[in-house]
Amino acid sequence: QITLKESGPTLVKPTQTLTLTCTFSGFSLSTSGVGVGWIRQPPGKALEWLALIYWDDDKRYSPSLKSRLTITKDTSKNHVVLTMTNMDPVDTATYYCAHLIFSARRAFDIWGQGTMVTVSS
Amino acid sequence: DIQMTQSPSTLSASVGDRVTITCRASQSISNWLAWYQQKPGKAPKLLVYKASSLESGVPSRFSGSGSGTEFTLTISSLQPDDFATYYCQQYNSYSPLTFGGGTKVEIK
Repeated sequence: QITLKESGPTLVKPTQTLTLTCTFSGFSLSTSGVGVGWIRQPPGKALEWLALIYWDDDKRYSPSLKSRLTITKDTSKNHVVLTMTNMDPVDTATYYCAHLIFSARRAFDIWGQGTMVTVSS
Repeated sequence: DIQMTQSPSTLSASVGDRVTITCRASQSISNWLAWYQQKPGKAPKLLVYKASSLESGVPSRFSGSGSGTEFTLTISSLQPDDFATYYCQQYNSYSPLTFGGGTKVEIK
């Protein structure tokens, strides 16, 4: 059974760097075709894809946020970490991590519960 | 980047109605289109992938169709549990992944 869980601060100040961790189980991020992505959703708004990391360490970023994002993985710890620099109140959102199989689906089939991050001074 | 336009943004329907949601891509994405259902306070749930493949465990009243730039999600007979917001998502390998703006299905 695949599970993912996001963790990190619930409150960050403007200009600070956000670091979120996705801890997963039930799959290996060294298996060919597997990826983990981050998606966010501001209150009352649509989903926005942020970043993806693949089994081979290929990394993809949303063009509009690329300069602020870094995604890394620790296969031995079953962790994926997302950092977002220069946080702003508009970055207030629920942040999700999710599992993806590139070859077969190119869709997020299993999601974490999400973690709400508020940006405020 | 590929833009995904969903219509309508809001849909009012009754239990038993046939409901169709449309998603249009700004350029061809072959069949790399997924549909999700999201209920308030919950993570999205995958319904359909590769435009028409039903995810395991999803009721057969849900179906997806389309290819290229135009796609539809159809609920053949709307059930009380289906009132939610639906999102499309594309992932053409030559372009960044993007979501549509969502369609909220409300009780009429």
